[in-house]
Amino acid sequence: GAGVSQSPSNKVTEKGKDVELRCDPISGHTALYWYRQRLGQGLEFLIYFQGNSAPDKSGLPSDRFSAERTGESVSTLTIQRTQQEDSAVYLCASSSRISSYNEQFFGPGTRLTVL
Amino acid sequence: AQSVTQPDIHITVSEGASLELRCNYSYGATPYLFWYVQSPGQGLQLLLKYFSGDTLVQGIKGFEAEFKRSQSSFNLRKPSVHWSDAAEYFCAVGPGSGGYQKVTFGTGTKLQVIP
Repeated sequence: GAGVSQSPSNKVTEKGKDVELRCDPISGHTALYWYRQRLGQGLEFLIYFQGNSAPDKSGLPSDRFSAERTGESVSTLTIQRTQQEDSAVYLCASSSRISSYNEQFFGPGTRLTVL
Repeated sequence: AQSVTQPDIHITVSEGASLELRCNYSYGATPYLFWYVQSPGQGLQLLLKYFSGDTLVQGIKGFEAEFKRSQSSFNLRKPSVHWSDAAEYFCAVGPGSGGYQKVTFGTGTKLQVIP
């Protein structure tokens, strides 16, 4: 497994339901990011994890959004009581170091559609 | 706070023609700068990056970019565009110092290549 993987690739849900999106970073990458990309828009930062440090949650748009990461492995982004405006592609990225520039390696994304 | 502006939302060029995509950033010190490409249905791939040294950087797929501090710009160029270059291009800026690297992305420029 060379790259960042995300699952599911597509998720269709009904308004009000909860969804969980998964990200598997590149092995050994200590940093993990979640972004949201709405149709026709740029990447919107959501949350950042670095090792065992407290995550930077400053980009989470509401308390319906939360994310967890166990150590330096898998991360899960949870959206509770989904709304139609949550429809977007959710991208995960990982990087290997923070002491210098950090090239982020992106997964293919999860396309979320809220009906 | 750092920010990135990509003034062109959509650009159309003929195959074989030259290309320049504009990127202007705002940051109080020397930034780290990146260009990513997102092909349809794909994740983002790093094209090139600048963090010090020569202000003209070479990337993959024949792309280059020039860092101009006086203009706060980091424009992406390619001398001869191929049909496979049709994609969306994102410029990004990060703090040019150690520690946590929160990268800010522009809204993207969609490139269309016509025969």
